[in-house]
Amino acid sequence: EPEVTQTPSHQVTQMGQEVILRCVPISNHLYFYWYRQILGQKVEFLVSFYNNEISEKSEIFDDQFSVERPDGSNFTLKIRSTKLEDSAMYFCASRPGGGANVLTFGAGSRLTVL
Amino acid sequence: DAKTTQPNSMESNEEEPVHLPCNHSTISGTDYIHWYRQLPSQGPEYVIHGLTSNVNNRMASLAIAEDRKSSTLILHRATLRDAAVYYCISYNQGGKLIFGQGTELSVKP
Repeated sequence: EPEVTQTPSHQVTQMGQEVILRCVPISNHLYFYWYRQILGQKVEFLVSFYNNEISEKSEIFDDQFSVERPDGSNFTLKIRSTKLEDSAMYFCASRPGGGANVLTFGAGSRLTVL
Repeated sequence: DAKTTQPNSMESNEEEPVHLPCNHSTISGTDYIHWYRQLPSQGPEYVIHGLTSNVNNRMASLAIAEDRKSSTLILHRATLRDAAVYYCISYNQGGKLIFGQGTELSVKP
């Protein structure tokens, strides 16, 4: 069964450092998402991406965050200058276009900011 | 997207059916009801979705009330592997999924 792949599975970084989380969505999917989950809290929407541009973003997704689809396969989330409160699990998801609106999520990347 | 209400937690015995309720009294006519689950230390996983009619798939069944103000996810025979947080989401197709707190299901052997 096709799956969404995320790397790294765990990253530890110092506060103020830049971090890039990578995702390989399912190959024929057109819509891409990033979510995050702080330990013990609910899954929160960050951003959605379609046709090479952001289609929607949450209040969490401020100027420190950016997303990119640099080639035909990868979808990245960059945090420019990490803060302690950015420590969380980050989930990438994708879905096909058309009438199918089921999201497939990756296993997540755990980010720890020290 | 309409708000949904679920119990915080439920318990089940292994190999017994489980009925997970969800209230969505403000759901609009075009919103689908989606269920996802999140196993420990994993990403959310799609379970089932429907609009008006009851739905069955290999994982579960979804029973939707006639007035669409509530629904029930049915796991026919719970296994230990079904222990997870189950999210009921009212979803305006094409938008974003908004997760609530969900129901934490524990399964006892």
